[in-house]
Amino acid sequence: DAGVIQSPRHEVTEMGQEVTLRCKPISGHNSLFWYRQTMMRGLELLIYFNNNVPIDDSGMPEDRFSAKMPNASFSTLKIQPSEPRDSAVYFCASSFLGLAQETQYFGPGTRLLVL
Amino acid sequence: KNEVEQSPQNLTAQEGEFITINCSYSVGISALHWLQQHPGGGIVSLFMLSSGKKKHGRLIATINIQEKHSSLHITASHPRDSAVYICAVRGGLAGGTSYGKLTFGQGTILTVHP
Repeated sequence: DAGVIQSPRHEVTEMGQEVTLRCKPISGHNSLFWYRQTMMRGLELLIYFNNNVPIDDSGMPEDRFSAKMPNASFSTLKIQPSEPRDSAVYFCASSFLGLAQETQYFGPGTRLLVL
Repeated sequence: KNEVEQSPQNLTAQEGEFITINCSYSVGISALHWLQQHPGGGIVSLFMLSSGKKKHGRLIATINIQEKHSSLHITASHPRDSAVYICAVRGGLAGGTSYGKLTFGQGTILTVHP
């Protein structure tokens, strides 16, 4: 299995532009998580989906952030408009929730820099 | 006070030493994860615990549910163990809205010198 795939790996954009991050979870997993990592705040959960349905989006910072999971093999995290404080590494992870021994598998992350 | 506290924040060791990283949490959990983040940024899940102890190679993880405490031990440490080790707790009961949600500690930066 290729593992969790994220694209792009790096993104540099200017303030005000729209940014779309993409994630392909591991086939067969039923849950997908979007995390953000910064030096100041460490790792934070933004949103997670179970069976393509958003379950908890309490970590989404504000209305500029939105996430979708149109099917079991694809999710997007969109920031519109982007701001310099959104600069961070964004990780996507997937797992099969419900198994006693489930583990989250992380993608390589997208490093976002908003100028 | 953070829900998940790790200690120490930084740890330096000589190759071969026995290492312990601690994690305390203040909320009810359904499981606790130990993660490893390499200098290149990749995150790997080492263990998921809900009780007792798990061992994988030179790594041992323990959890005491009553005391809300977990430890990660590395025996015979090696420079390749240098990384950030992150404790994360999963809340809630199966079917609840917080089930699956991970809350992270701030991480412990481990450096092992040859």
